[in-house]
Amino acid sequence: EAQVTQNPRYLITVTGKKLTVTCSQNMNHEYMSWYRQDPGLGLRQIYYSMNVEVTDKGDVPEGYKVSRKEKRNFPLILESPSPNQTSLYFCASNLDPSGHTDTQYFGPGTRLTVL
Amino acid sequence: AQSVTQLGSHVSVSEGALVLLRCNYSSSVPPYLFWYVQYPNQGLQLLLKYTTGATLVKGINGFEAEFKKSETSFHLTKPSAHMSDAAEYFCAVRGRGYGKLTFGQGTILTVHP
Repeated sequence: EAQVTQNPRYLITVTGKKLTVTCSQNMNHEYMSWYRQDPGLGLRQIYYSMNVEVTDKGDVPEGYKVSRKEKRNFPLILESPSPNQTSLYFCASNLDPSGHTDTQYFGPGTRLTVL
Repeated sequence: AQSVTQLGSHVSVSEGALVLLRCNYSSSVPPYLFWYVQYPNQGLQLLLKYTTGATLVKGINGFEAEFKKSETSFHLTKPSAHMSDAAEYFCAVRGRGYGKLTFGQGTILTVHP
């Protein structure tokens, strides 16, 4: 089954404790991205990756890091989490983002709480 | 540059009534337009998309949307609401030739018996 998986689905942590949220897709997609969803703000892009070893900032990159060492994986790293990073996070992938037939597929989400 | 505005953060309808969720966009290049639905505690699911061709687009679960270039709108409709339609709906735009998807703020649809 074609899918995007994220782990963990739920995470409660404390300020300053480094954490990683994993994301994996099995569709051989080139493009992957991370979003955060906050009430009244919709989804905002954090980082994206056009291909292996190619990453770039989205709209809200501060406090986050990513890496793309393999095509299928795109982990999101919070080196020193703060309470304002409490949010619902989504990973997404698509094959050809500039193509008119392309569809972006989303993972199930990770709900992060930083105390 | 591109942006999306969804009018109304909450919409409430009775079961069997018309559903109308409004979306206006701006884009410096011809747009691709999308509607996604998010059910409670789930990820986003694509409802429908406009890319090229026919401006009236039909999606899953009886939803449809019409791309109106002159009004820069892409409103989502369903003739008869069902209880299972209760969810949050997101409109999104992507400029042709670009990879970035920009989302609106979301509209929570409540369906009353």
